[in-house]
Amino acid sequence: NAGVTQTPKFQVLKTGQSMTLQCAQDMNHNSMYWYRQDPGMGLRLIYYSASEGTTDKGEVPNGYNVSRLNKREFSLRLESAAPSQTSVYFCASITGGANTEAFFGQGTRLTVV
Amino acid sequence: QQQVKQSPQSLIVQKGGISIINCAYENTAFDYFPWYQQFPGKGPALLIAIRPDVSEKKEGRFTISFNKSAKQFSLHIMDSQPGDSATYFCAASPHPGGTSYGKLTFGQGTILTVHP
Repeated sequence: NAGVTQTPKFQVLKTGQSMTLQCAQDMNHNSMYWYRQDPGMGLRLIYYSASEGTTDKGEVPNGYNVSRLNKREFSLRLESAAPSQTSVYFCASITGGANTEAFFGQGTRLTVV
Repeated sequence: QQQVKQSPQSLIVQKGGISIINCAYENTAFDYFPWYQQFPGKGPALLIAIRPDVSEKKEGRFTISFNKSAKQFSLHIMDSQPGDSATYFCAASPHPGGTSYGKLTFGQGTILTVHP
């Protein structure tokens, strides 16, 4: 019962470096989301994918790109990391139907120096 | 633009006390209101949820109260225990249909500490 798996768990980047955060779910959900969590700001939506082959911007998309590789995998890419992107990143897989439930991964703690 | 406002930002209660966390929303299209619980180093997990056709939902020591006219809802934790110490997020989701269907909007979170 893996649920939602995120890699890596921790990462330190230098300003200007790039990296890709990986996310995979085994619950056969259509929708997947990327959030960032910052103190006092709650969970803010970066990008989401309502179904395989579609992606849309969320509340804070600047500086990020995403790829919905297939139904299971949804990756988040930082092309040129900035200190403002220091955060904890969560991927979530979302159930369909009227009672939406988000299943979150364990998170990636990213520090940009 | 914060569509779901949560308060307080942090809360300290004694063991056995009542913890109350409040949320307010603006978007009348919201139709589903879950609460998530997050322990340190973990992702949030669904705790309890309510729809606006009822004013209260109780599951064990956790109760959601909902006031549709005021566009407010709250989480009450009765007989709070040290194991309840966590961050709590309220959230809201639109009703079925439309491009935003299923998209959860979260509040800012409340860090709850329950002292033994």
